[in-house]
Amino acid sequence: EAQVTQNPRYLITVTGKKLTVTCSQNMNHEYMSWYRQDPGLGLRQIYYSMNVEVTDKGDVPEGYKVSRKEKRNFPLILESPSPNQTSLYFCASSFGWRTPYFGPGTRLTVT
Amino acid sequence: GENVEQHPSTLSVQEGDSAVIKCTYSDSASNYFPWYKQELGKRPQLIIDIRSNVGEKKDQRIAVTLNKTAKHFSLHITETQPEDSAVYFCAASKSFGNEKLTFGTGTRLTIIP
Repeated sequence: EAQVTQNPRYLITVTGKKLTVTCSQNMNHEYMSWYRQDPGLGLRQIYYSMNVEVTDKGDVPEGYKVSRKEKRNFPLILESPSPNQTSLYFCASSFGWRTPYFGPGTRLTVT
Repeated sequence: GENVEQHPSTLSVQEGDSAVIKCTYSDSASNYFPWYKQELGKRPQLIIDIRSNVGEKKDQRIAVTLNKTAKHFSLHITETQPEDSAVYFCAASKSFGNEKLTFGTGTRLTIIP
């Protein structure tokens, strides 16, 4: 079954404690990206990757890091989370020109 | 960078009536415009898209129109049904891929039985 998976799905953490949200796709997609969704602000792109070892900033990259060491995985790293990073996060992947397929989402709360 | 504005933010229509959601974009180089539907607690899912070389596209009860000159595009849902209730997002991109997809802020559509 073609899918994008994210882990964890829910996370409550404290300010400053490093965390990683994993994203994996089994569709051999070249493009992967991370979005955050906040009420009234829609979906905003954090980072994207066009292939292994190729990543670039989206619209709201501050406070986040990513890596793309393997084609299937695109983890999102918060080195020092802050309360303003409390949000719903979506990973997405796509092949070439096709529209991104979203993962199930990760709800993060930073206290 | 690209800026996408979406209106209205909320929309309520009687079941069976039509719903129209409008988006404007700022970058004339944008050439790909998808629409996503997000049901409560679920991921956004593509429902229809349009490229800049096409003025209109239909898929059953859903249609999207594009006016490149005015830099706006719209989603039209006819004969609305309760299952159409969701949040709808428009988006714009300079490519057909995923490099820089900029989303609107969403429209919460409620279908009144």
